[in-house]
Amino acid sequence: KQEVTQIPAALSVPEGENLVLNCSFTDSAIYNLQWFRQDPGKGLTSLLLIQSSQREQTSGRLNASLDKSSGRSTLYIAASQPGDSATYLCAVMGDSGYALNFGKGTSLLVTP
Amino acid sequence: EAQVTQNPRYLITVTGKKLTVTCSQNMNHEYMSWYRQDPGLGLRQIYYSMNVEVTDKGDVPEGYKVSRKEKRNFPLILESPSPNQTSLYFCASSLLAGSLGNEQFFGPGTRLTVL
Repeated sequence: KQEVTQIPAALSVPEGENLVLNCSFTDSAIYNLQWFRQDPGKGLTSLLLIQSSQREQTSGRLNASLDKSSGRSTLYIAASQPGDSATYLCAVMGDSGYALNFGKGTSLLVTP
Repeated sequence: EAQVTQNPRYLITVTGKKLTVTCSQNMNHEYMSWYRQDPGLGLRQIYYSMNVEVTDKGDVPEGYKVSRKEKRNFPLILESPSPNQTSLYFCASSLLAGSLGNEQFFGPGTRLTVL
């Protein structure tokens, strides 16, 4: 069974810092990997989707990379802002294309 | 507006009283799924559906039923809810199952409390 781990579980940084969130998975046979943002009590907002054949995706200040062979992905946030404070979730779609496995998330706090 | 909607958003009920949480998407997506989110356990998949009349179990299907009679709707049924089903539930959809570019879109969540 696919296991997805996110490190760190919580992170607090001052505004303006660049930061990296980590996601690792145990089974490299994946279709894609998706990063989400979740605000307290709210739903999930998709940030970036990386297909298994891709190495990275970028959207604004966010950059996600994927190293399928080593079972790792990173989410890089540049010039962090207090509005970036949220929980960030990594989800891996297995190669059946049906089962989505989530990490438990990294809770990010960006202080002014 | 393209979206996944869930109803109700909040529900408090009692043990054993059947309930249905509805999920609807307006994007003509083939794939739909249900998840529950619990503190310390993260999001876990309950059931998924690859298309109309095609459903399968996820990681935690016990105590739940689903049906997919129409492409846009995927209700989650709890025939005899128990307190351990108190959770935050999410419905999600994507254009196609089993294909590249399978971005998942999530509903706003339903917070269920079973007393």
